[in-house]
Amino acid sequence: DAGVIQSPRHEVTEMGQEVTLRCKPISGHNSLFWYRQTMMRGLELLIYFNNNVPIDDSGMPEDRFSAKMPNASFSTLKIQPSEPRDSAVYFCASTSGGGFRNQPQHFGDGTRLSIL
Amino acid sequence: DQQVKQNSPSLSVQEGRISILNCDYTNSMFDYFLWYKKYPAEGPTFLISISSIKDKNEDGRFTVFLNKSAKHLSLHIVPSQPGDSAVYFCAASAWEAGKSTFGDGTTLTVKP
Repeated sequence: DAGVIQSPRHEVTEMGQEVTLRCKPISGHNSLFWYRQTMMRGLELLIYFNNNVPIDDSGMPEDRFSAKMPNASFSTLKIQPSEPRDSAVYFCASTSGGGFRNQPQHFGDGTRLSIL
Repeated sequence: DQQVKQNSPSLSVQEGRISILNCDYTNSMFDYFLWYKKYPAEGPTFLISISSIKDKNEDGRFTVFLNKSAKHLSLHIVPSQPGDSAVYFCAASAWEAGKSTFGDGTTLTVKP
């Protein structure tokens, strides 16, 4: 079975450029989560969706960040304009059960983002 | 305010011995706890979980203990194997939240 698929695996771009990270959740999962991992802040939740609807975006750092889930099989996380402090590993995760905490999350392998 | 804390950034143990990873939480609304394991260049993978109605859950070499009064949980790995070397994340969630809060992780190194 295919797991959570993230693309690209690595992204290097210059400050000020737009960055788009992509995620395909596991088929049948109806909750999707975006995380950012840094040395300073650990693994922090940015936003999560339930049935394609954003439920909690309180972790989105600022207006430069936006996330969409146009359908059950695709989500994007966009940073515009990007800054060096956005450099991190970004993970997408999905789970079934409507987001109820009983279901463990399945993570993609992440996108390592470097902003120069 | 960090609600889930893993106070030991790293732990080193000898192969065959017990590994004990600790996690503390502050939010009394948390009622479900999970451990994830993460290898380099991969995403975290689910390892074991425990509900607040239990104080112990066992799965093979892995056992999680929950002390609700102390708001503390621990993961025991017995016997430890070199392949267990990874970063271990503790996570906690509350029924109505629909999301998990993660600790910063503990890097476990198991020496042959």
